[in-house]
Amino acid sequence: EVQLLESGGGLVQPGGSLRLSCAASGFTFSSYAVSWVRQAPGKGLEWVSGISGSGDTTYYADSVKGRFTISRDNSKNTVYLQMNSLRAEDSAVYYCAKDSSNGVAFEFEFWGQGTLVTVSS
Amino acid sequence: QSALTQPASVSGSPGQSITISCTGTSSDVGSYNLVSWYQHHPGKAPKLMLYEGTKRPSGVSNRFSGSKSGNTASLTISGLQAEDEADYYCCSYAGGRGVFGGGTKLTVL
Repeated sequence: EVQLLESGGGLVQPGGSLRLSCAASGFTFSSYAVSWVRQAPGKGLEWVSGISGSGDTTYYADSVKGRFTISRDNSKNTVYLQMNSLRAEDSAVYYCAKDSSNGVAFEFEFWGQGTLVTVSS
Repeated sequence: QSALTQPASVSGSPGQSITISCTGTSSDVGSYNLVSWYQHHPGKAPKLMLYEGTKRPSGVSNRFSGSKSGNTASLTISGLQAEDEADYYCCSYAGGRGVFGGGTKLTVL
């Protein structure tokens, strides 16, 4: 059974940093791309960042480029999202999502339950 | 990086059919056969309903179907059931990034 478990969310002050983790199981982790997708309170889904199965290709939304860094450790079946220079508008539930292929195709077969990030002073 | 355009809400009675549109541009929906649709019940993880515009993952009811014309993709749900009431999002590959629609709230009357 495919499982994705996010962790690392919490309350952080504007300008601060946070690292999210997504621990995966139930599939050949290195064969699939993974993305982070967020949903701000009362808003829709927003794709944030994606990484290929091998980890050699990464993608970012313009809204987070230069502030967020996605990475993965295939030996630990885990994807990370390092979030720096956080802003109030980054407050959201962050989901990690397994793609349908090794490359980032933005077709998310499975999702985690999400982790809440709140940026506030 | 504009979101794809979806109607904010649609509604239908049990047994009826509804269609949700998803309008993008020639840089996303119009250029790639990589449109996916998600069902999202609040507080739960989103669920993939269609991928590559028209394909259903295993386990998704054949009441869900998709199509595309030009820059607009569509999701049709036939034989509406109470449990279909949810938010629906489209998503498209857009050349190295992903873009979601604003979401459509489906109400089953």
